[in-house]
Amino acid sequence: QQQVKQSPQSLIVQKGGIPIINCAYENTAFDYFPWYQQFPGKGPALLIAIRPDVSEKKEGRFTISFNKSAKQFSLHIMDSQPGDSATYFCAASGAGGTSYGKLTFGQGTILTVHP
Amino acid sequence: DGGITQSPKYLFRKEGQNVTLSCEQNLNHDAMYWYRQDPGQGLRLIYYSQIVNDFQKGDIAEGYSVSREKKESFPLTVTSAQKNPTAFYLCASRLASRTGELFFGEGSRLTVL
Repeated sequence: QQQVKQSPQSLIVQKGGIPIINCAYENTAFDYFPWYQQFPGKGPALLIAIRPDVSEKKEGRFTISFNKSAKQFSLHIMDSQPGDSATYFCAASGAGGTSYGKLTFGQGTILTVHP
Repeated sequence: DGGITQSPKYLFRKEGQNVTLSCEQNLNHDAMYWYRQDPGQGLRLIYYSQIVNDFQKGDIAEGYSVSREKKESFPLTVTSAQKNPTAFYLCASRLASRTGELFFGEGSRLTVL
């Protein structure tokens, strides 16, 4: 019930392409869905996040699409650049009680953007 | 500059030895977390603390211990009971009012020989 499943494990695109990373969750109590970006040897950093009351959120070249009925959400990176090469993690957090603020992470996607 | 400082960045230990990883934050955040990262497995929660002198087990707490005596500090001890301690360990913190927005340190890589 606490799992977040992420795919693909790795992804290679050319510069300018639109990589898409998908995540699925089971726990309907989750109400906050962030994406984190991690460069080698560094800690993850928050990239963009969405709540279930909206179906899409854009910040710059990054877009989250959210499908509440399917319990799925995805990250799209428009006009991808070599500097976007990193590991991306989706996550989910529940509201209330001891679950508050606890993030459950997906397995991660290693994105490589070729020049 | 505010942030989270983890030390040491790299640590080598012999099997059977306890190891303590340091995590300090000057963000005035209330909650602190320890995650373990292994290739292909994402980040798994070891322990977390919402307030000083209180902490809860995460999903993989066995073989680990923590303390939260000060708001700024949340050290993690990897004990000899942890069967597979070699991993990348990440500390994070969160402001109480920000649900899932974690700020991470740069991690500590522990290798047990």
